[in-house]
Amino acid sequence: DIQMTQSPSSLSASVGDRVTITCRAGQTINTYLNWYQQKKGMAPKLLIYASSNLQSGVPSRFSGSGSGTDFTLTITSLQPEDFATYYCQQTYRIPVTFGPGTKVD
Amino acid sequence: QVQLVESGGGVVQPGRSLRLSCAASGLTFSNFALHWVRQAPGKGLEWVASISGDDASSAYYADSVKGRFTISRDNSKDTLYLQMNTLRTDDTAVYYCATGRPEKSTTVLRSWFDPWGQGTLVTVSS
Repeated sequence: DIQMTQSPSSLSASVGDRVTITCRAGQTINTYLNWYQQKKGMAPKLLIYASSNLQSGVPSRFSGSGSGTDFTLTITSLQPEDFATYYCQQTYRIPVTFGPGTKVD
Repeated sequence: QVQLVESGGGVVQPGRSLRLSCAASGLTFSNFALHWVRQAPGKGLEWVASISGDDASSAYYADSVKGRFTISRDNSKDTLYLQMNTLRTDDTAVYYCATGRPEKSTTVLRSWFDPWGQGTLVTVSS
């Protein structure tokens, strides 16, 4: 199985801050890496697909980068609605695996 | 717009069975791979199972459910299913269905999940 790790596991930030979350895969996954946002009690929402593609309707303050094993999600100016948990996901091999999540509060 | 609605969750005793459904609308259902993902209380996301599009010829399972759960689809009803047998207490979770992108992909891999349903809670307890 491809193990996904995220850092940090949680972070405290303020509105307007630049936030960076890192995701690392246990083996190369090309760019088959997606990012999801989940707010409490809600279903996950796709933010970024294939490492760097912004999902339609997602604000441009979100961006993703990386390939191989190391990936980054960046929020350039944190907004009140961005306080949530963020998960990375690899779909390069079965089993599909998610990172453990990064809580932004 | 695309909408997925799960149903069938509830409280069940260990060792019993339950079938979840996920009704889709707003898309050409047979063109999309579909997925089940679960989330135990207070925990992260865990992929459960995936099924390929039109011909549903390929199904994949997490080791934790292999041999107990069966994913299937009825393209005539635009509905995805998850038959869960021999349930265990550690199957307790919110179960989400999700659409696999891109459309008409020949594989469930190299994909992303969007959108997701609202989830249905399964509680396995005596």
